[in-house]
Amino acid sequence: GAGVSQTPSNKVTEKGKYVELRCDPISGHTALYWYRQSLGQGPEFLIYFQGTGAADDSGLPNDRFFAVRPEGSVSTLKIQRTERGDSAVYLCASSLTLGGGQFFGPGTRLTVL
Amino acid sequence: RKEVEQDPGPFNVPEGATVAFNCTYSNSASQSFFWYRQDCRKEPKLLMSVYSSGNEDGRFTAQLNRASQYISLLIRDSKLSDSATYLCVVNMPNDYKLSFGAGTTVTVRA
Repeated sequence: GAGVSQTPSNKVTEKGKYVELRCDPISGHTALYWYRQSLGQGPEFLIYFQGTGAADDSGLPNDRFFAVRPEGSVSTLKIQRTERGDSAVYLCASSLTLGGGQFFGPGTRLTVL
Repeated sequence: RKEVEQDPGPFNVPEGATVAFNCTYSNSASQSFFWYRQDCRKEPKLLMSVYSSGNEDGRFTAQLNRASQYISLLIRDSKLSDSATYLCVVNMPNDYKLSFGAGTTVTVRA
């Protein structure tokens, strides 16, 4: 079956711009997670959802970052006033239930110039 | 101190060799442990969970030492296709976010 999909695969933007990154989880998966991975590092947790609600957003670095999952399926990660330090690969994962095995999407590579 | 620490490597080994590496974790309350594999510019994929009694999956053996707070991965009879970065992952009880190490790079040469 289809895995987690993320769009766009690459995004280049200028400092100060707003970006939206989209994640389509595996059908039927109730939990959705966002991580970001910088070069040479492991993924770092940002936020996870159970259904429509953000169950833990403790990993969001500051208030420029926000994520939604309005219908309990697709999620959008929104970054305002992007900075060069936001450049990373943003990974989305989903699991059948909270605490279940997490399956990752291919990521969105964000470059802020 | 980072929550999960790994030797970055690289470990360069010939085909057929055995390679082993560890990772240490800082929080003694950590409950679940995993090894993920990540190929260059690809997403992480679950390789195996790590159980207290140790477990094996084909050529891969994982061990957990709670007293010393480390987990290990051993790869026997290395294949060229084992070349990847291996990410050590832990999580806490009732907490569903994964904490990743920075990864150990393994390169298997012909």
